[in-house]
Amino acid sequence: AQKITQTQPGMFVQEKEAVTLDCTYDTSDQSYGLFWYKQPSSGEMIFLIYQGSYDEQNATEGRYSLNFQKARKSANLVISASQLGDSAMYFCAMREPYSGGGADGLTFGKGTHLIIQP
Amino acid sequence: GAVVSQHPSWVICKSGTSVKIECRSLDFQATTMFWYRQFPKQSLMLMATSNEGSKATYEQGVEKDKFLINHASLTLSTLTVTSAHPEDSSFYICSARRFDPPDGSYEQYFGPGTRLTVT
Repeated sequence: AQKITQTQPGMFVQEKEAVTLDCTYDTSDQSYGLFWYKQPSSGEMIFLIYQGSYDEQNATEGRYSLNFQKARKSANLVISASQLGDSAMYFCAMREPYSGGGADGLTFGKGTHLIIQP
Repeated sequence: GAVVSQHPSWVICKSGTSVKIECRSLDFQATTMFWYRQFPKQSLMLMATSNEGSKATYEQGVEKDKFLINHASLTLSTLTVTSAHPEDSSFYICSARRFDPPDGSYEQYFGPGTRLTVT
């Protein structure tokens, strides 16, 4: 079963509109971390925002906010006032507790290709 | 912010040859580095966890004899693709874990990636 599910392969949004990118996750651990990364066509992974499972408040970083609904295992990314430069692939990822081996690496969703239209 | 570099950024090699990719943390020490692979239009998949001074830990399905990882120092990890074949063509991305005590928090910082094409 997929650990990270992003149900929107692609999205077209008008410039200046807000956009929500969906992400649901699956874990039995109580302690975990959720990340959103942006990957432009150049390929680099740009960290956007982080939410810890014990954080009571939703994370915010500038125009990015994370709508964290723990009971629903949902961690949607909200981009306010979208800009043309926001066009990119967006990946949701999860880090589960380190338990030896390679468990500390990130598990990524399949991504959402966001295109901002002028 | 923390900077991670990769070298080379792009490489073409012939089938059967080996290719080494370097991952360096430029302004911090990284006891742990991770290697990911990304095929076109797909997500990143964790290949292995590289720990300084010890053997790498590979994810299920990743051949350790084909993808040799060496983490010889706190700022350098290398991935060698041995006897490369066209199906190994992919985008290889490393990340370095920066440990910031005292709360034990840490973040991963990604390198810019290396695009490997095997002809």
